[in-house]
Amino acid sequence: DQQVKQNSPSLSVQEGRISILNCDYTNSMFDYFLWYKKYPAEGPTFLISISSIKDKNEDGRFTVFLNKSAKHLSLHIVPSQPGDSAVYFCAASGGNNRLAFGKGNQVVVIP
Amino acid sequence: ETGVTQTPRHLVMGMTNKKSLKCEQHLGHNAMYWYKQSAKKPLELMFVYSLEERVENNSVPSRFSPECPNSSHLFLHLHTLQPEDSALYLCASSQEATGISGNIQYFGAGTRLSVL
Repeated sequence: DQQVKQNSPSLSVQEGRISILNCDYTNSMFDYFLWYKKYPAEGPTFLISISSIKDKNEDGRFTVFLNKSAKHLSLHIVPSQPGDSAVYFCAASGGNNRLAFGKGNQVVVIP
Repeated sequence: ETGVTQTPRHLVMGMTNKKSLKCEQHLGHNAMYWYKQSAKKPLELMFVYSLEERVENNSVPSRFSPECPNSSHLFLHLHTLQPEDSALYLCASSQEATGISGNIQYFGAGTRLSVL
């Protein structure tokens, strides 16, 4: 059973606009959440994370929001740039430090 | 030099072959992982090594055999694979601290495996 779900597998957005990626999880024991970005022919690279004690974490153009009661998190990229075109994976971990991943969202930023 | 290096990048093998995937991390981490990524599926954790000991094996068939000779190197030995084993195999490493969440894993570029 998939514990981390990413719906809407692909997203197209104009350069300069906001990209919003959503992620839902089912395991209430998860207390740390991460987003990874993956280009073709490369491994996933860590982008941003958030602890369950926070509801927002911002790093430059990237912001992650966490809604624990809804078991939902989102990644906002603003402004979107062509170099942001990639697959984005949501991941979550609990006390055992094992990561559960979603299937990923393809983002295409149109110049 | 990149943090986590995997070789080879591409591998084609027959079902009767024996081959090995190699992973090397230069980050000083104490934990290493093998993942399998199949098309349209989430990353599947296969094996976890912590301090060079295997601490997790997620019901992986015995035709996959991991080896961790030291904290910097991880191998995945393959024998008598099936066509459905064709996938991207990713290695990752992290610095684990007992009882503390926040495990950021760093990935290699992967080995694209095709089993004919």
